[in-house]
Amino acid sequence: NAGVTQTPKFRVLKTGQSMTLLCAQDMNHEYMYWYRQDPGMGLRLIHYSVGEGTTAKGEVPDGYNVSRLKKQNFLLGLESAAPSQTSVYFCASSYSGTKVNEQFFGPGTRLTVL
Amino acid sequence: AQSVTQLDSQVPVFEEAPVELRCNYSSSVSVYLFWYVQYPNQGLQLLLKYLSGSTLVKGINGFEAEFNKSQTSFHLRKPSVHISDTAEYFCAVRISGGYQKVTFGTGTKLQVIP
Repeated sequence: NAGVTQTPKFRVLKTGQSMTLLCAQDMNHEYMYWYRQDPGMGLRLIHYSVGEGTTAKGEVPDGYNVSRLKKQNFLLGLESAAPSQTSVYFCASSYSGTKVNEQFFGPGTRLTVL
Repeated sequence: AQSVTQLDSQVPVFEEAPVELRCNYSSSVSVYLFWYVQYPNQGLQLLLKYLSGSTLVKGINGFEAEFNKSQTSFHLRKPSVHISDTAEYFCAVRISGGYQKVTFGTGTKLQVIP
């Protein structure tokens, strides 16, 4: 199993450009998440999904949109990139239900917005 | 809402010395607690978790943590560190029941000195 994969690994954008980050998981997890990691701030939840076709806002959703058209994929979009969105983005997934399960993380996407 | 405080942003320690990484949480309801480790340029992976039962939890790579409800703490310990333990460590909390929203601390960088 590949676990959680993220595409691309690195990207440089100019202010105002758009892009989509792709997350894929092969563990049949119901829940998927997008986080951003910034120095001294830990991980902050951007958006999450509790199942195919459903998404919800996290702590810092402004400037981002997401879609979960297939259970195994979770896309994060930036419509008009800003320098404040320079960060490392992590996708994660986990099982659902009453059992408390860990989140499995992808390797991250390092995004720089100039 | 729950919150997590990691008091130390960086902890330098000599190889083979013991280490303790501190984590305090705040919540008005029962919680589940986690420690994750992030090696350079990688995603997070679970070290250990406390759900219920014994307050001393053992994890991978010789780490353990103790849940102290009266002090609302979940400190991570290792009796003898190795160079390979150099990484960033994140404490995380989740309230019991309901959707699995996890709140992460800001992280502690453990630097093991040879």
